[in-house]
Amino acid sequence: DVKVTQSSRYLVKRTGEKVFLECVQDMDHENMFWYRQDPGLGLRLIYFSYDVKMKEKGDIPEGYSVSREKKERFSLILESASTNQTSMYLCASSQGPLDEQYFGPGTRLTVT
Amino acid sequence: AQSVTQLGSHVSVSEGALVLLRCNYSSSVPPYLFWYVQYPNQGLQLLLKYTSAATLVKGINDFEAEFKKSETSFHLTKPSAHMSDAAEYFCAVSPTGKLIFGQGTTLQVKP
Repeated sequence: DVKVTQSSRYLVKRTGEKVFLECVQDMDHENMFWYRQDPGLGLRLIYFSYDVKMKEKGDIPEGYSVSREKKERFSLILESASTNQTSMYLCASSQGPLDEQYFGPGTRLTVT
Repeated sequence: AQSVTQLGSHVSVSEGALVLLRCNYSSSVPPYLFWYVQYPNQGLQLLLKYTSAATLVKGINDFEAEFKKSETSFHLTKPSAHMSDAAEYFCAVSPTGKLIFGQGTTLQVKP
């Protein structure tokens, strides 16, 4: 059974803190993605990676960075968390760029 | 720019009734189209996917969707709603390998 896991289901951080969200997939997928989900806005792509050490900006990369040192792991980094980054963050992976994406359960981040 | 519009942020049906969730897209190239479902406190899972092989696509749990190029639509239907279908549904288009999601439609199923 395919699996995408995220390090935390719920996270509370203070403004200005550095935040790491971790995502691991066990399917040997090439592509990994980070989205944020907000009510009424659907899912918006923050960053994606199509290979180890390769990354590309999505639609809303400002305030975020990513790291992919190993194929199975894709980290989202908030360098200095702000309250407008309070959201649900979803990680996904796929084998090919047009293949089904498999999603993790999400991390609900609250920045106070 | 490519975009996806889901008509109706909330849809309410009675158990056993037809489910119809609407999705319109704009794309300058023939797209791949997807419907995903998100149950409470879970990530998204794929319901079905259109890849130009057939205009009527069947998915899991008796859901299906029809691709209509002339209407730029990809509406999701199910003949008979179950209580377990209550969830949020997302339409997405992938013209270039990145998914572009609609705003989502919450389906409520009343007993």
